Amino acid sequence: QSALTQPRSVSGSPGQSVTISCTGTRSDVGAYNHVSWYQQYPGKVPELLIFDVTKRPSGVPDRFSGSKSGNTASLTISGLQTEDEAAYYCCSYAGSHLVFGGGTELTVL
Amino acid sequence: QVQLVQSGAEVKKPGSSVKVSCQTSGGTFKNYAISWVRQAPGQGLEWMAGVIPIFGTSHYAQKFQSRVTVTTDESTRTANMELSGLKSEDTAMYYCATRNVNYSSGSGYRVSRYFDLWGRGTLVTVSS
Repeated sequence: QSALTQPRSVSGSPGQSVTISCTGTRSDVGAYNHVSWYQQYPGKVPELLIFDVTKRPSGVPDRFSGSKSGNTASLTISGLQTEDEAAYYCCSYAGSHLVFGGGTELTVL
Repeated sequence: QVQLVQSGAEVKKPGSSVKVSCQTSGGTFKNYAISWVRQAPGQGLEWMAGVIPIFGTSHYAQKFQSRVTVTTDESTRTANMELSGLKSEDTAMYYCATRNVNYSSGSGYRVSRYFDLWGRGTLVTVSS
């Protein structure tokens, strides 16, 4: 039950696209199409961005998209906006439990 | 609108235990699977344990298996998480978060695999 691996930080300029990777194993990311992504601002509660790899809850802009290949899931944010500057966490179902990634800080330059 | 109301901040001595509660306001208690997720200062999210009242099951991350107990009280729509043997490294914000339980005649009860509702967190400080 090790944490999923995410880059510690990524950056991009307004209008650009960034992709955050989330690498797990055959027991979690690779085994299930149940990867979710959360956005967290400093001092705030995490909020659901993407669930079941590619699905967006209502209210989440379509600038946010998810994908998965093998043991690695990815979150892509296109048309970066300054308000996207936050921490992003992936999470995978892994049978009877769930596991988070270490988190990625996104800086919008 | 369903909300998760967590108990207040705690300050504990090393070696002691802490119990954090999470009350669901609105909705049907058995329609939720409740997990506990913690976040140490400046660190990431860490899933600790979960309970699914409608199944009567609970699951624990290996790391916390020996120190965490999760319980529920349907009469008060409350889930509780007790962490024992506290160390300074347990200083963190503790969140409860829910996954939906849905029923269909074809599939029976199914639990979603993502957290769509979070409590505001309970800060637990462990200090001598």
